[in-house]
Amino acid sequence: EPEVTQTPSHQVTQMGQEVILRCVPISNHLYFYWYRQILGQKVEFLVSFYNNEISEKSEIFDDQFSVERPDGSNFTLKIRSTKLEDSAMYFCASTVLQGTQTEAFFGQGTRLTVV
Amino acid sequence: DAKTTQPTSMDCAEGRAANLPCNHSTISGNEYVYWYRQIHSQGPQYIIHGLKNNETNEMASLIITEDRKSSTLILPHATLRDTAVYYCIVRVADFGNEKLTFGTGTRLTIIP
Repeated sequence: EPEVTQTPSHQVTQMGQEVILRCVPISNHLYFYWYRQILGQKVEFLVSFYNNEISEKSEIFDDQFSVERPDGSNFTLKIRSTKLEDSAMYFCASTVLQGTQTEAFFGQGTRLTVV
Repeated sequence: DAKTTQPTSMDCAEGRAANLPCNHSTISGNEYVYWYRQIHSQGPQYIIHGLKNNETNEMASLIITEDRKSSTLILPHATLRDTAVYYCIVRVADFGNEKLTFGTGTRLTIIP
C-alpha cells in the first residue's frame, strides 16, 4: 500500500535554530498538508499546498513557517527560529484530489523537541 | 464545518463489535461524515466516510441516521490493535475546503 514518508522521525533542536521537516507524499497525489499535534492536544491543521503554492493556512502558520516542494517528490516544512512551544508531532498528509470524495493519507510524523 | 460530539472514552471486549457514536445535529445537506483513527501517536488513519447511506468497507461500517444528525462507526470484531482515538469529522462538500478539523475524539480501549 502506498504511504507518506516523513524524515526524521525525531528531531531535537535548540531554541532559535532553524529546522526543516521532510515529507515524501504518495507519488500521484496533488495536494499536500502539514498538521501538528502538541502532546496531549488535538491534531491541528497548519497549511495546505497545491500547484506550488499555499492554498490555505491556519493562524498557527505565521511568518516563522514556510513550505516548499523543492523537487518532484519532497514536501518540506521549515521553521525559521524555533520556540519551545513549537515542540510537537508534525504530520504530513497528501490527497489525490481536493474536496470530500477523497481520503487523506498521513505520514507517521516527526517528533520535534525544542530545548 | 458542523460541530461533532463524541464520548470521551469507551471500552470494548476483544472479539465484540465496537459501536462508536457521534452526534452532528447541525450537519447540513452537503456535509459528509468522516471517521479517522489515531493509534498511539502515529499519524491519523482514514477509516470510512459517507453522506447519507450506510457504508461498509474492509475496516468498518458507518451507520448514519435518516435525519443525519448522528452516526455510528462499527468495528465488527474488535481486536487489541483497534485500541486508538477515533475521530468523527464532518466536512462540507465544497472544493476548496481541504482541511480536516479534528476534535478530541473517543479513546477506544479493547479489553482482552
